[in-house]
This record gives sequence, C-alpha cells and structure tokens, in this order.
Amino acid sequence: TQLLEQSPQFLSIQEGENLTVYCNSSSVFSSLQWYRQEPGEGPVLLVTVVTGGEVKKLKRLTFQFGDARKDSSLHITAAQPGDTGLYLCAGLNTGNQFYFGTGTSLTVIP
Amino acid sequence: NAGVTQTPKFQVLKTGQSMTLQCAQDMNHEYMSWYRQDPGMGLRLIHYSVGAGITDQGEVPNGYNVSRSTTEDFPLRLLSAAPSQTSVYFCASSTGQGNTEAFFGQGTRLTVV
Repeated sequence: TQLLEQSPQFLSIQEGENLTVYCNSSSVFSSLQWYRQEPGEGPVLLVTVVTGGEVKKLKRLTFQFGDARKDSSLHITAAQPGDTGLYLCAGLNTGNQFYFGTGTSLTVIP
Repeated sequence: NAGVTQTPKFQVLKTGQSMTLQCAQDMNHEYMSWYRQDPGMGLRLIHYSVGAGITDQGEVPNGYNVSRSTTEDFPLRLLSAAPSQTSVYFCASSTGQGNTEAFFGQGTRLTVV
C-alpha cells in the first residue's frame, strides 16, 4: 500500500520555467520531508515541515505543508539544470516511521 | 565520517542463489531500514530495526531476512533470489528521535537473471 502519491511522475521543462510537485495522502503525518536523489546516489534531505500550513523556502524552492498535515507541495522558481533529479516526499508518523512517496523525476533542459 | 556504507554497489545473481547485502553506519543511530526502489514506486520498506536485537517487517518483506546483532550493522539476506527481486536496494539510518532525518547509503543495484 502506497500511502503517499506524488504528481506528476515525470516532468521535463526548459531552464527558467517554474514547476510544482504535489504529494498527497489520506493519512495524517507528524511531519513531512522532501528529499532529492541524483543518479547512483541515495536520497538527501532538503527540508522538514512540521506545522499544518507551514511554508519553508530554500533559495528557489518553496515547500508547503497542508493545513490538515496530509499533503505537501514543492514549488521551484526559475528551474536550473542543477535541479534535475528525483524528488521524493516522505511522511513521518508518531512512531518515527518513514513512508516515502512514489517520486517525481524532474529534468531541466538547458 | 563515512555515514551509511553499503556493499556491494552492483551484483548479478542467478535465480535461486542467495546473498547478503551489507549495511553499516557510524552515527550511532538506533533506527535502520532497508528499502527497494523500483521505477514509479518510490521507496518501499522491506525490513526495519529500532535497535540492536529488534527487527520488524515492512511493506514488502517476502524473500528477505534481516538481523541486527550490533547498532552499527544491518545486513539484508536474499534467501533464494528471484527475477522479481531485481531492483536498487537502499539502507538508511536515523536517530528515531523527533523529526528525524533519514541518512541513506549509495545503494546496491541487484540484477537477478
């Protein structure tokens, strides 16, 4: 059972464009994380959001946690080729167990 | 600081063979987990451990065994490899405290022919 669904699954855009990736669930999580994974490597944490409605910014990346703590979004402004990678959301339950999303593969074309 | 170390990085097995994927962490983390990653499926939890001597099943445990005799090591054993086990395997560790971060190894790409 996949608790977290991400959309879109694949995204190919031109450098300079904006994009949004969605992470949706019917379950409530104590916090939600976003990871980025590059080819041949393991995922690396980008951000953790904890409070419903919370917004965090990391340079050109904006992360939002839904009010009900069931969903999240990642918005990238003016995408660059260095943003290329697989983006994974992960929900943590009260037992600190991770549930990973299905992943969004982003390609930014120069 | 090595973090999470997985070996081997690549492996080809014949159907029916057994093998052990090694995972070691040097961060004194209590939580360790094994995931498999398949296209379009994200990361699916195979087995996990909340401390030495304690293991439990995840979402897709069939065909795999684990043990946790020390805090540092968490090997994953494939008992009788099947083509359906062709995947990329990741080991991860975390403190298990608060909104903990998962630290991943570089992965093992396994092909079963």
